[in-house]
Amino acid sequence: EDQVTQSPEALRLQEGESSSLNCSYTVSGLRGLFWYRQDPGKGPEFLFTLYSAGEEKEKERLKATLTKKESFLHITAPKPEDSATYLCAVQAPSGNTPLVFGKGTRLSVIA
Amino acid sequence: EPEVTQTPSHQVTQMGQEVILRCVPISNHLYFYWYRQILGQKVEFLVSFYNNEISEKSEIFDDQFSVERPDGSNFTLKIRSTKLEDSAMYFCASSDPEQGIDTEAFFGQGTRLTVV
Repeated sequence: EDQVTQSPEALRLQEGESSSLNCSYTVSGLRGLFWYRQDPGKGPEFLFTLYSAGEEKEKERLKATLTKKESFLHITAPKPEDSATYLCAVQAPSGNTPLVFGKGTRLSVIA
Repeated sequence: EPEVTQTPSHQVTQMGQEVILRCVPISNHLYFYWYRQILGQKVEFLVSFYNNEISEKSEIFDDQFSVERPDGSNFTLKIRSTKLEDSAMYFCASSDPEQGIDTEAFFGQGTRLTVV
């Protein structure tokens, strides 16, 4: 059974204090690993897709990396507006197989 | 920027009543999904829909649930007889893997369903 585990569950950072969120996964073949941002009461907002080990993608203060067993979302010099829940999801190969989500990491950035 | 839109944003219903949640996926997308998120829990897959039929469904998607694409733009989720445990945020999503390498699903803002 495909599984996604995210850690920590919650993270509190001072503005400017860089850190990383972890996503460990077990999947029978990986088509893609996805990072989403979710604000309270809203739908997941797409951030990145990673397809193969060693791949990295960046967007503003965020950088996502992928190995064969886990992915990291690095946040550099975060701002209060980066506060959200960050969700990791995996998709097995073939067709439009559904996403399997982790529980997310709730990030709070304090000014 | 194209987006997935869902209506209503909040629905309160009595236990045993039928509800229909509505979604307008991104117009050139071919795959449609419903997910749900019970408060404080993971986003869970319910059903996927392609070429006018269900392509995959989870154990949650039992006989009380149905999906339909009644016209070229709408995609609906019907819960025939709601239970208290159906209270959750329901998200519609769409994707178009055939257009390129990226296969990400784009999500709507959700419908908060409260069963009382």
